[in-house]
Amino acid sequence: NAGVTQTPKFRILKIGQSMTLQCTQDMNHNYMYWYRQDPGMGLKLIYYSVGAGITDKGEVPNGYNVSRSTTEDFPLRLELAAPSQTSVYFCASSYAEKHNSPLHFGNGTRLTVT
Amino acid sequence: AQSVTQLDSQVPVFEEAPVELRCNYSSSVSVYLFWYVQYPNQGLQLLLKYLSGSTLVKGINGFEAEFNKSQTSFHLRKPSVHISDTAEYFCAVSDGGNNDMRFGAGTRLTVKP
Repeated sequence: NAGVTQTPKFRILKIGQSMTLQCTQDMNHNYMYWYRQDPGMGLKLIYYSVGAGITDKGEVPNGYNVSRSTTEDFPLRLELAAPSQTSVYFCASSYAEKHNSPLHFGNGTRLTVT
Repeated sequence: AQSVTQLDSQVPVFEEAPVELRCNYSSSVSVYLFWYVQYPNQGLQLLLKYLSGSTLVKGINGFEAEFNKSQTSFHLRKPSVHISDTAEYFCAVSDGGNNDMRFGAGTRLTVKP
C-alpha cells in the first residue's frame, strides 16, 4: 500500500548543480502536483498535471521543470540550483479535481542548496 | 484569487482541553474548504472538507469544523485533545480549478501532558 513515494528524502546541492526529485504513485490517479513548503509560508504550488503528457504551471514555477510521460511518475527537475530553492518539496496526487477528492501526499524531500 | 489566513501560528494546550484553530479566507466566488494535518516528517493528510450542505463538518480523529459564510471563516475544533494530536494543521481553500488551492501558513498545535 505505497501511495505516493518520493525520493530522495534528503539532498544537499551546491549552487548551480542540477537534480531531479522523483515522485511515483500507485493509485492510478490522473492529477499530480508539486508543492514547496517554506517555514511560516504554507504550501505553494509549483507545477501540476491533469494526466500523462499534460503539465501546467502553478503559483511558483520559476527555476523548475516537470514532465509526465506516464500516469505513475511526475519528476521535478531543478536545472541550476539556487539558495532560494532550499525548501521541503511535496508531491501529491488526486483522483479528480482537488475539490472532489483529497490530495494524497508523499513524505517530502528536504533540499538544501549551499 | 482566494487567500487563507490562519490566525495563530502556534497553539499550546494541555491534554484533554478543548482547542480551536482559526482560519479565515477571502474569495469572490463559492469556495471549497479543507483542513489538512501534518505529523512530523510526513506529508499532509486530509482531516476534513466542506464542499456544500451542512455547515458543520466532522472529520477524522474527533475533529470538526464550521463553515461560516458571513464571517468567511472555517475554524477547526476538538472538544478534548490528546498528546497524539500534536502536529501542524493547514487550512486550504479552492474555488474548484486545478491550480487554485491555496494553503494557509499553518498552525502548530502542541498538546502538553
